[in-house]
This record gives sequence, C-alpha cells and structure tokens, in this order.
Amino acid sequence: GENVEQHPSTLSVQEGDSAVIKCTYSDSASNYFPWYKQELGKRPQLIIDIRSNVGEKKDQRIAVTLNKTAKHFSLHITETQPEDSAVYFCAASKTGGTSYGKLTFGQGTILTVHP
Amino acid sequence: DTAVSQTPKYLVTQMGNDKSIKCEQNLGHDTMYWYKQDSKKFLKIMFSYNNKELIINETVPNRFSPKSPDKAHLNLHINSLELGDSAVYFCASSRGLASSGETQYFGPGTRLLVL
Repeated sequence: GENVEQHPSTLSVQEGDSAVIKCTYSDSASNYFPWYKQELGKRPQLIIDIRSNVGEKKDQRIAVTLNKTAKHFSLHITETQPEDSAVYFCAASKTGGTSYGKLTFGQGTILTVHP
Repeated sequence: DTAVSQTPKYLVTQMGNDKSIKCEQNLGHDTMYWYKQDSKKFLKIMFSYNNKELIINETVPNRFSPKSPDKAHLNLHINSLELGDSAVYFCASSRGLASSGETQYFGPGTRLLVL
C-alpha cells in the first residue's frame, strides 16, 4: 500500500520567515495530494491541494509543489504569522480500483511561529 | 449549520465496556469515513462508506463495527474497549469518489479515554 513520509517532525521559525515541509510517497499511481492544518484541539482542515497534472499551486502565502518523478511534494508558507502555528499533515491518494480515494497521511509537522 | 458533527465530544469509560460514536453530515455528501488519531497525532483511516456501502475496511480489530443507516450518518460501535483504544476518533465526509480527489471535511472529533 501507499506510504507517506513527512519531514521535519517539528519546525520552529520566527514570524515573517518562510517554512517548508516536505513529503515523499511510495505509490507512483497516487494522483491527489492535499495538505491539512490542525490547530490544537481542533479538526484537520484542508488548506491546499494539488493534483498530479499540475506541478505547482499557490494560494496567497501558501504554495505546494509536486515532483512526480521523484515522488515528493512540499508545502511552502511565506511571511509566517503566529496563527500559522499548528500541526500540518500531507496526504496522498489515488482514484480508481479498490483504493476509493483513500487518504494516506504523513506523520505530521508541528510548526511553531515565534512572534 | 455545522457541516460534519459528532457525538459525544468526550467519552470516558472503563475497560471492557461497549460504546458508540455517532456522526452526521449535512453537506449532501455520498462518502463518509472514520479516522483514528493516536497520541502521537498520527491519522489513520479505519473505514469508509459510499452511499451506505462499506468500501474501505482497514486492518481494524473486529471489536470495531461501523454502521451507516443512511448516507448522511455513519456510526462507530466499539465492543470490549481496551486501553489502546484511547484516541481521538474523527468522522469525515466527501462529495464522492468519481473525480480525481475529493476534499474530505472532518468532524470535531470524539476524544475517547479508556481507563
């Protein structure tokens, strides 16, 4: 089955700096890669996603890049703010067959933004 | 106008008891999921239903039994609770599986503590 590795497990930055979180996946058939943000005690919420026919996607301060050949994708947050502090999860899934869009999550990255 | 709701929010119980968690979504989605988030924050899929039909059944002890009375509801019953069942259980829903990846919307979670 799919295996998703996420690094780093913790990331500490100063407000205004950029933060980068990287994920690798094992199944070359995976074609959908969402990123979720989970604040302390809250539910995971989708912040951005990318599909395998796109190499990069941006939404204000957040961007995601995908390298299908290397089977890795990354989340980039620019101009970080204290409210960006949370746990971030990457995930991968593939449609079709018996996978039924099952999401396999990375281990999570605890991002702390210091004022 | 909560999109995905779960009850109860907190559940504290003794080992060996049987308990149920309920989930409801008012988004009109066809697909619902149960995830377990352990103490290390790792999110893992347990089950998924599409239009009341079980489509994903991960390696979960058969003490866990999901039930979907209609496509807006997905309940989780756990028999003979064990200490290792302590976790946060998240319900999620998505519009369907047909297209290349569907956003999954998570409920607020049920924090289960087995003593």
